[in-house]
Amino acid sequence: EDQVTQSPEALRLQEGESSSLNCSYTVSGLRGLFWYRQDPGKGPEFLFTLYSAGEEKEKERLKATLTKKESFLHITAPKPEDSATYLCAVQAGYSSASKIIFGSGTRLSIRP
Amino acid sequence: NAGVTQTPKFRILKIGQSMTLQCTQDMNHNYMYWYRQDPGMGLKLIYYSVGAGITDKGEVPNGYNVSRSTTEDFPLRLELAAPSQTSVYFCASSYKVKGANNQPQHFGDGTRLSIL
Repeated sequence: EDQVTQSPEALRLQEGESSSLNCSYTVSGLRGLFWYRQDPGKGPEFLFTLYSAGEEKEKERLKATLTKKESFLHITAPKPEDSATYLCAVQAGYSSASKIIFGSGTRLSIRP
Repeated sequence: NAGVTQTPKFRILKIGQSMTLQCTQDMNHNYMYWYRQDPGMGLKLIYYSVGAGITDKGEVPNGYNVSRSTTEDFPLRLELAAPSQTSVYFCASSYKVKGANNQPQHFGDGTRLSIL
C-alpha cells in the first residue's frame, strides 16, 4: 500500500538550533515529492519540489533532499518565524492526479 | 492574482442539511482538487478535475459531489450533511502539461465546516 510517513510529529527547537524533519515513503512510481508549509488557519504554501534521488533544493534557512526512500527538510539556524506545520506530499503513478498522498505533518515550534 | 479563493470561510450546518463550498482560481490552472483535513491527519483527496467537464473520485468521495463547468470554478456539494463531515476543506489547483513533471499545488485558505 502506498504510504507517506512524517517524523517527528512535533519538534520544539531553540532559536538557532538546527535540525531535520523526515518524510519516508513507500509508493510505486514516484512522480514528485513536494514540501509545503502550513500556518494556523491557512492553506499549505508550496516550498520545494524534488523529482529524483540525489536532488537538493535550498531556500533561505531550508534545504530539502531526496533519496529513494525518504526526504529530509533541513532547517539551519531557525528563527521563531519558521514555526509552522511542514507537510510532505508524494505524487505517484503514471496516470492522472489520483495518487497524491500527504503525510500528517511535523509541527515545528521555534523558541526565541 | 488572487490565487485560489474559497467561500465561505466558516459554516455551521445541521445534520441532513446541504450546502455548496465554492472554489475559484484565476491562474488558468487545468487541474483542481478538493481535500479535507482532520486534526492530526494528512490531507485526504475527495475529488479532482483535470479540466472543464472532467471530474474523478479521490480517496474519500462518499457524501460529496463536484462539477467543473468552467476552468476557474470547482464547487463541492455536500448532500445530507453528517457529523463525520465536520472538517476543514481545502481547494487546490495546479498546471499540468502532458509528458512534463507534475507542478506544485496552490491552495486556498480553507472552509471550516461543523455539522451539529
